[in-house]
Amino acid sequence: GAVVSQHPSWVICKSGTSVKIECRSLDFQATTMFWYRQFPKQSLMLMATSNEGSKATYEQGVEKDKFLINHASLTLSTLTVTSAHPEDSSFYICSAAAGGGPGELFFGEGSRLTVL
Amino acid sequence: EDKVVQSPLSLVVHEGDTVTLNCSYEVTNFRSLLWYKQEKKAPTFLFMLTSSGIEKKSGRLSSILDKKELSSILNITATQTGDSAIYLCAHNYGQNFVFGPGTRLSVLP
Repeated sequence: GAVVSQHPSWVICKSGTSVKIECRSLDFQATTMFWYRQFPKQSLMLMATSNEGSKATYEQGVEKDKFLINHASLTLSTLTVTSAHPEDSSFYICSAAAGGGPGELFFGEGSRLTVL
Repeated sequence: EDKVVQSPLSLVVHEGDTVTLNCSYEVTNFRSLLWYKQEKKAPTFLFMLTSSGIEKKSGRLSSILDKKELSSILNITATQTGDSAIYLCAHNYGQNFVFGPGTRLSVLP
C-alpha cells in the first residue's frame, strides 16, 4: 500500500518555541492531506484539511495562527505548532488521500509532541 | 451534519469470543466507509466498503455495509489478545473523511 512518512516521531520542546512536523507521501501524490490531534484514549480529532497550493481549512475551534499548515507540494504538508505550550502536548497524526475515486486514507506514523 | 457514530464505545471480552462492532453514519455524497485498527500509534487500514451487502473478509475479521440503513458492522471471530485496540470507522464523502469516536476493545486472556 501507499506510504506516508511523518517526522519527527517524537519531539520534546520548551514552552514558547515552535515545532514543525512534516508529512510526506512517498509513493503517490496526495491532493489532500489531513492533520489530526489525538488525546489519550480518544479518537482522532480533525484539525484541518489541506489541499496542495491552497490555504488549509481549519475545523471549528482550531486556531489557525497557532497551528500553521503548509501544503506546498503534492507530496509534502507541514504542521507548525507556534509558541508551543504544555497544553499543546499531544499525538499529532497526518493522513493523505490520493484523490480520484473512493479511496483509503493513508496515515503517517504520528508525532508525539511533549512541551515542557 | 455529517457524523459517524460507533457502538459500543468500549467492550471487554475473553479470548475466543466473537465481537460485533457497529458504525452508523449520516450521508452526504457517500463514497466509502472505512475501518481502521489503532494500537499504539497510527491507525492501520482494515477495510474499505463501497457497495452494500458485499462482505469483505480478512482472516478472522469481516465487515459489511448496509447503505439502506447507513451502517456497517465489523466482526471479529475467535478473538485474541492481539485484537485489543481501538477500532475506528470513517465515512468518506467528497474529499472529506469523518471519523467516529472509536470502539475500544479489550480482549482478556
